[in-house]
Amino acid sequence: GEDVEQSLFLSVREGDSSVINCTYTDSSSTYLYWYKQEPGAGLQLLTYIFSNMDMKQDQRLTVLLNKKDKHLSLRIADTQTGDSAIYFCAESGSGGYQKVTFGTGTKLQVIP
Amino acid sequence: GAVVSQHPSRVICKSGTSVKIECRSLDFQATTMFWYRQFPKKSLMLMATSNEGSKATYEQGVEKDKFLINHASLTLSTLTVTSAHPEDSSFYICSAKSGRTVDEQFFGPGTRLTVL
Repeated sequence: GEDVEQSLFLSVREGDSSVINCTYTDSSSTYLYWYKQEPGAGLQLLTYIFSNMDMKQDQRLTVLLNKKDKHLSLRIADTQTGDSAIYFCAESGSGGYQKVTFGTGTKLQVIP
Repeated sequence: GAVVSQHPSRVICKSGTSVKIECRSLDFQATTMFWYRQFPKKSLMLMATSNEGSKATYEQGVEKDKFLINHASLTLSTLTVTSAHPEDSSFYICSAKSGRTVDEQFFGPGTRLTVL
């Protein structure tokens, strides 16, 4: 079945850039997502990228996709304390009812 | 827009009782809702896909008689944990697809279930 892997923890200093990495196994993945979960809250979709794209930038967020290596990364520029959260990488195929498979989540700790 | 609510946010129950969790899409109609379970330091595990007006589709290993899902309207899906046991204690999260943006799921805030 599909598998999505992430490192569990990342610590960065405020103002630095954060890079969260993710690898996946399903070569038929069509959409790749990054979700943010703050303590005690649900998931918030940050951004997503189609599998035919290499990069997507949205303000402080940059998503890079290496489809050959099945590697996805999320870069957060000028990381702020409010960015502290768990970040989930996820993938799905195309179509209305394709399920989303989530990674284990990376806990980002921003040190003031 | 695209807000999903869950009720209750926290529930504590005795072993053997049943608990109902509601998931509502507040400002859009959701033909499809999903129920996830999140274990500590683990990812979200999809339990079932709930389609309005039809039976839910359960993932492998999820007992449909234990986790009853009803999607009675385009804005409401319920998950009932029947005969709850301590091992059912978990964080249950629902999500809904609006159909407006491709494959985007909007997540509820989650329900923390503790079974004593």
